Amino acid sequence: GAVVSQHPSWVICKSGTSVKIECRSLDFQATTMFWYRQFPKQSLMLMATSNEGSKATYEQGVEKDKFLINHASLTLSTLTVTSAHPEDSSFYICSARSTGTYNEKLFFGSGTQLSVL
Amino acid sequence: GQQVMQIPQYQHVQEGEDFTTYCNSSTTLSNIQWYKQRPGGHPVFLIQLVKSGEVKKQKRLTFQFGEAKKNSSLHITATQTTDVGTYFCAGTPTSGTYKYIFGTGTRLKVLA
Repeated sequence: GAVVSQHPSWVICKSGTSVKIECRSLDFQATTMFWYRQFPKQSLMLMATSNEGSKATYEQGVEKDKFLINHASLTLSTLTVTSAHPEDSSFYICSARSTGTYNEKLFFGSGTQLSVL
Repeated sequence: GQQVMQIPQYQHVQEGEDFTTYCNSSTTLSNIQWYKQRPGGHPVFLIQLVKSGEVKKQKRLTFQFGEAKKNSSLHITATQTTDVGTYFCAGTPTSGTYKYIFGTGTRLKVLA
């Protein structure tokens, strides 16, 4: 099956700093990628839809200036948490939509655990 | 906004017992997918249902999509300890977008 690579797996940062998370589709082209946030023992909350070559579409309540998304190529989307605060600590996970052979499945990265001190 | 609820939230079963989780959307869905997330892991795709009333089987797992395309269920026959994890449904609204709204999830524990 298709593989989505997400880095880093975990990151600890100081309050006020910015953190970039990368999401790559390794063996397929992903025109659309999704960014989710998951709190412990809770569901995945969709933050934004990342479209290659255009601006991301953010869900209601998600600050676009806080969570910068860039989808510069068909295989890479990045999420930058700017001026991170402790309340931004969470598990962030990306997914890529695959069409054609994989019949529009979602393939997930392994996630990034962010801890803001 | 659109909501996708799952019940139950938690389920503990003895190994060998059956298990069912139900998924209900506040709006009609164009399709529904099911994912399994093991503790500490990421969601893994299980299946996609597209047609109204569709039923699909994968070994001990049976998936159904409701006639109105607003609800779905996952049934596991004779659970095994390897079935432990959280099961999520994820629906795509009929508005033409490709975003997937995840259900609240059902966490399954299987006691040996």
